[in-house]
Amino acid sequence: GAGVSQSPRYKVAKRGQDVALRCDPISGHVSLFWYQQALGQGPEFLTYFQNEAQLDKSGLPSDRFFAERPEGSVSTLKIQRTQQEDSAVYLCASSSSPERGATGELFFGEGSRLTVL
Amino acid sequence: ILNVEQSPQSLHVQEGDSTNFTCSFPSSNFYALHWYRWETAKSPEALFVMTLNGDEKKKGRISATLNTKEGYSYLYIKGSQPEDSATYLCAKASGTYKYIFGTGTRLKVLA
Repeated sequence: GAGVSQSPRYKVAKRGQDVALRCDPISGHVSLFWYQQALGQGPEFLTYFQNEAQLDKSGLPSDRFFAERPEGSVSTLKIQRTQQEDSAVYLCASSSSPERGATGELFFGEGSRLTVL
Repeated sequence: ILNVEQSPQSLHVQEGDSTNFTCSFPSSNFYALHWYRWETAKSPEALFVMTLNGDEKKKGRISATLNTKEGYSYLYIKGSQPEDSATYLCAKASGTYKYIFGTGTRLKVLA
């Protein structure tokens, strides 16, 4: 696709519900990132994939959070038994080549705004 | 400085004014400094990726400088226009994939 696509754009969940957020990165992009942005904060790292391999999940706040990218393209972030503190914008980003490392720009989706009541 | 800090948090300027904001970051373990512009209801878009101390980059009316020794970067906008209204995020790369973002500077340009 032309850009990174995320769905749903908005999700309202009742506390305790499970949610799944989808990210469709730019075709061919090897690296994929998930970030969480709480109100008034900057994006905070959740997890990083290189193709289908999840190389770093140190930012996932609890074992209720799970991310996968089974075929190295589309990724899903799942949150089980949602809590109010999970309310945030979840941003997905991709970049073309891990060989460029930190010098390659990130391409972001528009984010999924999750509100937990 | 332990985190990436941006100042000011927000500002309003008149159309035609020039403005600048600051991104301060820990100077240790530096790989790159990224600037992104995030307009409401859109996705963040890269403005600059800077790696070298003393680096200066320019895109139209927007430019940025980098000082890796003292740990800061400035973003300048010359002759602000209403379409420049956005949140400007900086991010320090402290590894090949580890980025630490600031909280952003929210700019509103008044016509």
